[in-house]
Amino acid sequence: GQQLNQSPQSMFIQEGEDVSMNCTSSSIFNTWLWYKQEPGEGPVLLIALYKAGELTSNGRLTAQFGITRKDSFLNISASIPSDVGIYFCAGGTTSGTYKYIFGTGTRLKVLA
Amino acid sequence: DGGITQSPKYLFRKEGQNVTLSCEQNLNHDAMYWYRQDPGQGLRLIYYSQIVNDFQKGDIAEGYSVSREKKESFPLTVTSAQKNPTAFYLCASSIFVGQETQYFGPGTRLLVL
Repeated sequence: GQQLNQSPQSMFIQEGEDVSMNCTSSSIFNTWLWYKQEPGEGPVLLIALYKAGELTSNGRLTAQFGITRKDSFLNISASIPSDVGIYFCAGGTTSGTYKYIFGTGTRLKVLA
Repeated sequence: DGGITQSPKYLFRKEGQNVTLSCEQNLNHDAMYWYRQDPGQGLRLIYYSQIVNDFQKGDIAEGYSVSREKKESFPLTVTSAQKNPTAFYLCASSIFVGQETQYFGPGTRLLVL
């Protein structure tokens, strides 16, 4: 089946540093979503991308829909302690009924 | 406030027992979904429903059942046939099935005694 590779698996950074993470696949996706999940809670939508090459920001977060439609990137600028959590990407595909394939997550820890 | 609620937060199942997880939404969304989350893995789709009285199997439906009698509600039953039920279960909804963003509830953690 379709799979997403999300990297890195985990990151330890100092407060104030910028963060980059990405998702890649061998398959083409029509939509990319980025979520943040805190322990014991459901994922919260951060950014939605619908068009190849699209670059969208949400505060300190910026995400891009890769031009090949096989990848997406999320950047966090000037990290703060509350950025701690697990970040998931999800690629939307029309293989059969439209559905989302989820990445395995990037666990972010911010050291004050 | 509009949103998705799941209950209970924690659920314990004995061997051979069926348990039902609740999911309610007041977003007026047609589509609802159930996902399973295991450590180190991406979310996997169990069942989804495009509209009332309709539901379809996802990638890992074996050992689970659902119903969709009301637009607002999509309960998931974990049956005794599910041999490895310990996981975090997430319910989601979207305006309809398609290129629409999915919004998640807070989750239910199921543990086996």
